[in-house]
Amino acid sequence: DAGVTQSPTHLIKTRGQQVTLRCSPKSGHDTVSWYQQALGQGPQFIFQYYEEEERQRGNFPDRFSGHQFPNYSSELNVNALLLGDSALYLCASSLDILREQYFGPGTRLTVT
Amino acid sequence: SQELEQSPQSLIVQEGKNLTINCTSSKTLYGLYWYKQKYGEGLIFLMMLQKGGEEKSHEKITAKLDEKKQQSSLHITASQPSHAGIYLCGADTGYSSASKIIFGSGTRLSIRP
Repeated sequence: DAGVTQSPTHLIKTRGQQVTLRCSPKSGHDTVSWYQQALGQGPQFIFQYYEEEERQRGNFPDRFSGHQFPNYSSELNVNALLLGDSALYLCASSLDILREQYFGPGTRLTVT
Repeated sequence: SQELEQSPQSLIVQEGKNLTINCTSSKTLYGLYWYKQKYGEGLIFLMMLQKGGEEKSHEKITAKLDEKKQQSSLHITASQPSHAGIYLCGADTGYSSASKIIFGSGTRLSIRP
C-alpha cells in the first residue's frame, strides 16, 4: 500500500517564476492538505481540498492556489515566487471521517 | 487563535535513558497528533489522541492526553539512536472531520551513544 507521494523531491526556481508541486494521497484517502515548513519551524497550514473544492485556507496570499482532481490527487501552485517562499512543502492526506492525517516526504523548494 | 508550546526545544539524552517531551495548548484540544521528522524530510505519524485521559503506546513510545485536553506528553523508554529526530505535536482543529493541524515548533532530540 503506497503512502503519500510528492513530486518533485527538490526544485530550484528564480524570483518571479511560477511553480507547481504535486501530491498523490494514500490509497483510499479523499482529503488533501498542504503545509509550508520553513527551516527550524513547525509546518504552517496552506489549504485543504475535499471533493475537488478548497474547504479551508490558512493565512497565505492568493499567489498560493491549488487543485484537486477526481482521483483525489492534488497540485499546489505558487505564482510570482519570492525568496521567502523557499521552504519544505508538505502534503498530507486523510480519509475525511477518520481525521488521522499522513504526510508525504515533501518537496524542497529553493527560490534564488 | 490556538497556539501550541513544546518543551524542551532540544534534548540530548544518553542512549538507554528515558525522556519526556511536553506539549501545551492555549485552548482545549479536539485532538492531538504526535509526529516525528528526520531533518528535512516528511513527517512520520506516531499517534493521535482524542479523549481526555487517553494514553497510547507504540513500541517504546507512549503518549498521554490530560483530562482537560490541554496538555500532552510523549515518553520514550530506553532511548535508542533510531529515536533521534524532531518531534512535533499538532492540534487538530476540526470538530468532526479532518481539518487543519496547528503545529508546535518541535523538540529536537539527539541520542548520545
